[in-house]
Amino acid sequence: EAGVAQSPRYKIIEKRQSVAFWCNPISGHATLYWYQQILGQGPKLLIQFQNNGVVDDSQLPKDRFSAERLKGVDSTLKIQPAKLEDSAVYLCASSEARDINYEQYFGPGTRLTVT
Amino acid sequence: KQEVTQIPAALSVPEGENLVLNCSFTDSAIYNLQWFRQDPGKGLTSLLLIQSSQREQTSGRLNASLDKSSGRSTLYIAASQPGDSATYLCAASGSARQLTFGSGTQLTVLP
Repeated sequence: EAGVAQSPRYKIIEKRQSVAFWCNPISGHATLYWYQQILGQGPKLLIQFQNNGVVDDSQLPKDRFSAERLKGVDSTLKIQPAKLEDSAVYLCASSEARDINYEQYFGPGTRLTVT
Repeated sequence: KQEVTQIPAALSVPEGENLVLNCSFTDSAIYNLQWFRQDPGKGLTSLLLIQSSQREQTSGRLNASLDKSSGRSTLYIAASQPGDSATYLCAASGSARQLTFGSGTQLTVLP
């Protein structure tokens, strides 16, 4: 079974530029999550999708961050404009709705550096 | 709001030693508790998942326990090896199946 795929793996941009990350979850997984992990900290949930609907985006800085999951499969996370404090690893995870444990499977992440 | 704390932040042990990593959470109304491993530059690998109705889970040299009443979980690693060197994260899952993570314990096992 293929895992969660993310691209790009690394991205360096200047502040005030825009950037987009892509995630392809495990086939059949209805729930998709985006996390932000700042160096030295644990991941923090940004947004959770159930199919193509948003379940929770309470911690998403909506003035600069946006995310979508068209057709309930792939997802993109966008930052516009980027700030220095957005430097972090952005992790995508997915889980199967029928799994009573709702175990989450994580992708390798995208490391963003804002200069 | 759930808060998860992990102590210690870093730990260095000689190979072969048994060790315990600690995790505490403030809201006992959790759905499950997960332990993850994170290697540098990589994503998270799930190690053990304990449902709220369970007390412990075991996988090979790893044993995780859960005490909801005290808001604590421990990860026990037996006979540690250099390959166990990584950051270990615990995460509590709430009713919406969202994970709240601790900051992790960075483990170094010296050969």
